Amino acid sequence: AQSVAQPEDQVNVAEGNPLTVKCTYSVSGNPYLFWYVQYPNRGLQFLLKYITGDNLVKGSYGFEAEFNKSQTSFHLKKPSALVSDSALYFCARWGGYNKLIFGAGTRLAVHP
Amino acid sequence: KAGVTQTPRYLIKTRGQQVTLSCSPISGHRSVSWYQQTPGQGLQFLFEYFSETQRNKGNFPGRFSGRQFSNSRSEMNVSTLELGDSALYLCASSLLDSLNRYNEQFFGPGTRLTVL
Repeated sequence: AQSVAQPEDQVNVAEGNPLTVKCTYSVSGNPYLFWYVQYPNRGLQFLLKYITGDNLVKGSYGFEAEFNKSQTSFHLKKPSALVSDSALYFCARWGGYNKLIFGAGTRLAVHP
Repeated sequence: KAGVTQTPRYLIKTRGQQVTLSCSPISGHRSVSWYQQTPGQGLQFLFEYFSETQRNKGNFPGRFSGRQFSNSRSEMNVSTLELGDSALYLCASSLLDSLNRYNEQFFGPGTRLTVL
């Protein structure tokens, strides 16, 4: 079955340091992969996607992600974290017919 | 262009009641999907509608149902509410066409349902 996994419940990073939020995906099906961010009492905001092509995907707010087929990973990265990046981050894959399959989410805490 | 709107934003119901949530997609979007978000189960897909037809359904009991109107607006209904139905219900709209090709989903702010 198609799935994604986010192995970390929470990631803590100091402001100005690089951040990585991890995501791995199951091999079955086309790995159309996405990252979304959710701020308190808000819906999901799209950050970036991988469909085909370049393995390094650049998205909104300075985020990027690298698609690694051999490791079945799609980690989210940012060179320099901001306190305002603190939020809940979801990795997802497309399950057909407008269905997204989400990971459990990773809470990112950026400390001043 | 206006985003996805959901009404109401907050709702309090008691066990056994039923509830209807509404979602208005972005103009021109014909596909609407619904998701349930809870602390325990995370984000789970409920169902998807395209051109008034349900094309995909998640693993939820029959108490959860939905429909889509000719203007692409969608409603979801939960009957005989249970405490465990307390959740944030999100809808998302997309330009997804009849060929099931990928298009980006845009999410609304959600409806927070509390069941007492």
